[in-house]
Amino acid sequence: GAGVSQSPSNKVTEKGKDVELRCDPISGHTALYWYRQSLGQGLEFLIYFQGNSAPDKSGLPSDRFSAERTGGSVSTLTIQRTQQEDSAVYLCASSPQGFYEQYFGPGTRLTVT
Amino acid sequence: AQKITQTQPGMFVQEKEAVTLDCTYDTSDPSYGLFWYKQPSSGEMIFLIYQGSYDQQNATEGRYSLNFQKARKSANLVISASQLGDSAMYFCAMRRSGGYNKLIFGAGTRLAVHP
Repeated sequence: GAGVSQSPSNKVTEKGKDVELRCDPISGHTALYWYRQSLGQGLEFLIYFQGNSAPDKSGLPSDRFSAERTGGSVSTLTIQRTQQEDSAVYLCASSPQGFYEQYFGPGTRLTVT
Repeated sequence: AQKITQTQPGMFVQEKEAVTLDCTYDTSDPSYGLFWYKQPSSGEMIFLIYQGSYDQQNATEGRYSLNFQKARKSANLVISASQLGDSAMYFCAMRRSGGYNKLIFGAGTRLAVHP
């Protein structure tokens, strides 16, 4: 079946612009996660959605970052007033409720010039 | 605070040999889960193996096995019979149980398999 998909695959934006990154989780997966991977680094947790529960936003680095998940499926990560340090690969993952394994999408490579 | 440490930034192994990638963790939680993911140059994260903190036996998945030493807080990945396609970044990660579902990742180890 279809895996986690993310769009766009690459995004180049100018400093100060807003960007939206999209994640389509695997159908039926109730949990959705966003991570950020800076060049040569491990993954950094950003935010987690589980069903209708309030999201865990504890990893968002600043109030310029926000995310929503509509209808328990698609999620959008928004970065306002982008800065050069926001340049990274943004990875989305999903998992079925009660399962430990997270299935990752291919990521969106964001470059802020 | 929880932390994952991977002390080997790079490793190399000859094809068909076994290799061990180190991972140590720090947590005060009695219940947690440990994962290994593979990230090829294409960028996707591929789940390899999972070990629960209360599992009595070490996890195995094909050529992958996890050498879990709870008292030493280590969860090393062993890859047997290395293949050229095993060349990739390998990340160790930890998940808290009881509803805390975010994964905390180590910095990764880059493995190169030589023919």
